[in-house]
Amino acid sequence: AQTVTQSQPEMSVQEAETVTLSCTYDTSESDYYLFWYKQPPSRQMILVIRQEAYKQQNATENRFSVNFQKAAKSFSLKISDSQLGDAAMYFCAYRTWTGTASKLTFGTGTRLQVTL
Amino acid sequence: GAVVSQHPSWVICKSGTSVKIECRSLDFQATTMFWYRQFPKQSLMLMATSNEGSKATYEQGVEKDKFLINHASLTLSTLTVTSAHPEDSSFYICSATPGTSGRSEQFFGPGTRLTVL
Repeated sequence: AQTVTQSQPEMSVQEAETVTLSCTYDTSESDYYLFWYKQPPSRQMILVIRQEAYKQQNATENRFSVNFQKAAKSFSLKISDSQLGDAAMYFCAYRTWTGTASKLTFGTGTRLQVTL
Repeated sequence: GAVVSQHPSWVICKSGTSVKIECRSLDFQATTMFWYRQFPKQSLMLMATSNEGSKATYEQGVEKDKFLINHASLTLSTLTVTSAHPEDSSFYICSATPGTSGRSEQFFGPGTRLTVL
């Protein structure tokens, strides 16, 4: 079974600084998707960034970028120029690449605090 | 992006009663919907996967007679917590995907907070 591990329960970053959230996963498959989701206090899950495993290029979305190391099964999220609105729970998630819609497996989450 | 709604957003009920939570895809047809449960300060745990017109597939350890899921149309799935007890109190989140392809993104509802007294 696939597992997703986030080893940092809490992280803190100063506004305008850069922070990196860690995620490792375990799978025997070669093709899959990886995601970072943000869950603010409203509890609404928001997709931050997505990476297809077959793509070597790291995904980027504005201030958010990932460092995808397939051999090491590592998928970290870098937030640049942190803003107060970035404060939230961040979940790393894995999904298989199949012919049909498949379930997400979530990590335990990292709570990010942004300070002035 | 696509919008998924849940109703109610919060509900309080007495122990022993049943509660129904609705999940609707507002601007797309959802062939597959997922139901998650989230305890305070914990991650999302998948409870079941439902496909329109067929029986839901439950994850190991989830009581199918306790958590009844019905995906009667391409825009609506319901989760009924039967004979609710205080330990069923939790945050329930649904997600929906518009396609059958593994590339289809999941869109999440805002969640429903259930409190059983």
